[in-house]
Amino acid sequence: NAGVTQTPKFQVLKTGQSMTLQCAQDMNHNSMYWYRQDPGMGLRLIYYSASEGTTDKGEVPNGYNVSRLNKREFSLRLESAAPSQTSVYFCASSLAGGELFFGEGSRLTVL
Amino acid sequence: QQQVKQSPQSLIVQKGGISIINCAYENTAFDYFPWYQQFPGKGPALLIAIRPDVSEKKEGRFTISFNKSAKQFSLHIMDSQPGDSATYFCAASASGGSYIPTFGRGTSLIVHP
Repeated sequence: NAGVTQTPKFQVLKTGQSMTLQCAQDMNHNSMYWYRQDPGMGLRLIYYSASEGTTDKGEVPNGYNVSRLNKREFSLRLESAAPSQTSVYFCASSLAGGELFFGEGSRLTVL
Repeated sequence: QQQVKQSPQSLIVQKGGISIINCAYENTAFDYFPWYQQFPGKGPALLIAIRPDVSEKKEGRFTISFNKSAKQFSLHIMDSQPGDSATYFCAASASGGSYIPTFGRGTSLIVHP
């Protein structure tokens, strides 16, 4: 059972480089989310997609863009990476109002 | 503005002891209160959840206590074990809105053998 799959698991970027984090879920969930986790800050919502074709900003959207490619896939793009974006990124999915299922995370370092 | 406040930030307990983590919320529209458990290198996973129609929910050694009037809820881990060592997040969401959960900042629990 794959659940929520994120790629890559690790990435090192230089300031100004761009990259895309990929996320796919196989649970037929409507909602998908991108969070970042930083020490002492908990999980902060970057963007979410309540259903295929819709995306909305979360708490910390600046510097990021997202694409809900289809019901299964939700990608997060950093157009010009900054050191402040060094973090662990988690993708999650859910049915409305229920449990969130998380991926194992993507650890990004921006030098 | 932090909508869900979680304490303590870290907790050290001896094996067999009781671990207690507290959360307080402000938005009275919240009606779903889950707790997530996260082991190092892994994503969070749902541990236990409660809705405000009950004041307590127990699953094995884990209990959520909910106080609607005080807008507080807590996680109690009875007979804590070294395998319980993890980071715990409380969360809250509102069914009347978009169900987007708001997370507390997390509690790092260490259970000493």
